Amino acid sequence: EAQVTQNPRYLITVTGKKLTVTCSQNMNHEYMSWYRQDPGLGLRQIYYSMNVEVTDKGDVPEGYKVSRKEKRNFPLILESPSPNQTSLYFCASSPGTGLLSYEQYFGPGTRLTVT
Amino acid sequence: GENVEQHPSTLSVQEGDSAVIKCTYSDSASNYFPWYKQELGKRPQLIIDIRSNVGEKKDQRIAVTLNKTAKHFSLHITETQPEDSAVYFCAASPSGGSNYKLTFGKGTLLTVNP
Repeated sequence: EAQVTQNPRYLITVTGKKLTVTCSQNMNHEYMSWYRQDPGLGLRQIYYSMNVEVTDKGDVPEGYKVSRKEKRNFPLILESPSPNQTSLYFCASSPGTGLLSYEQYFGPGTRLTVT
Repeated sequence: GENVEQHPSTLSVQEGDSAVIKCTYSDSASNYFPWYKQELGKRPQLIIDIRSNVGEKKDQRIAVTLNKTAKHFSLHITETQPEDSAVYFCAASPSGGSNYKLTFGKGTLLTVNP
């Protein structure tokens, strides 16, 4: 089944404790992206990647890191989480080529709480 | 950077009525405008999109119109049904094949009353 997976789905952690949220897609998509969703603010792009080893900042990159060492994986790293990073996080992927190149396929989401 | 404004933030209609959600964008370089639907507790899903070389696109009960001069685009849903109840997000991107930066509006909560 074609899909985007994220792990963990739920995470409660404490301020300053490094964490990684994994994202993987099995559709051979070139493009991947991370978003955070907060009430009243919609979806805001954190980072995106056009291909392996190519990443760029979205609108809210502060406090986050990403890497794209393999085409299928795009982990989101919070080196020192703070309470203002409590949010619902979505990973997404997109083909990157062809007529359907821009449709984004979202993962199920990761609900992160930082205390 | 791009700024996308979406209105209204909430919209309540009776089943069978039409619903219209409007968005404006600021970056004249934006040329791709998708609409995503997010049902409660679920992930966003693309419902329709339009590129800047087209003024209108329709898919059954859903249509999107684009006015590049005025920098606004709208989602039209006709003959609404209870299953149309969800949060709808518009977005804009300067994606011309080389950039996938996507800026979303803040969303519209649509409620369709039976």
